[in-house]
Amino acid sequence: AQKVTQAQTEISVVEKEDVTLDCVYETRDTTYYLFWYKQPPSGELVFLIRRNSFDEQNEISGRYSWNFQKSTSSFNFTITASQVVDSAVYFCALDDNYGQNFVFGPGTRLSVLP
Amino acid sequence: DAMVIQNPRYQVTQFGKPVTLSCSQTLNHNVMYWYQQKSSQAPKLLFHYYDKDFNNEADTPDNFQSRRPNTSFCFLDIRSPGLGDAAMYLCATSRDGIRRDLDTEAFFGQGTRLTVV
Repeated sequence: AQKVTQAQTEISVVEKEDVTLDCVYETRDTTYYLFWYKQPPSGELVFLIRRNSFDEQNEISGRYSWNFQKSTSSFNFTITASQVVDSAVYFCALDDNYGQNFVFGPGTRLSVLP
Repeated sequence: DAMVIQNPRYQVTQFGKPVTLSCSQTLNHNVMYWYQQKSSQAPKLLFHYYDKDFNNEADTPDNFQSRRPNTSFCFLDIRSPGLGDAAMYLCATSRDGIRRDLDTEAFFGQGTRLTVV
């Protein structure tokens, strides 16, 4: 069975600090997809990134970057120069059944203080 | 423009009174999901439709049912809501992910926050 672990329940940083959110996953499948979603106080889940298991390239998008390491089953998310608007709950998720088995980690609540 | 629309945003129902939450999508996606998210917890998958095929999670209570009359709409029926069913209910869609060359992602609606009184 698949499982997603986000060991950090809550993180607080001061604005402009860098912060890394950890995600470790378990799956028996060789083909799977990993995601990060942001859930601001408004409640909607906002898609941030998708990565398939065959693509281990790290990705940078503005202040966001992701580090995917299959050897350690990790898909960590870094926010550089954090801003107050980054305050939200961040969920890592795994899909190992082509869109039919989508599981979220417990989430990490990030608070960015001014 | 919103692609996954959930109505209403807030729903109050009485203990034991059936309630229906609705979800519509403009993405023409094959797969539609319903998640339950309780306070400070991760979303928990209740069930999903792959086209017309209904897939129930093993631990979803019988009190929760779903209907998908067409591609665009999906409903969550709670037959006899209890106090423990108060939560945010999230609808999501994704396109056919059977083909390896199609990456899947789930698009979420804004959710319906259900209060049971």
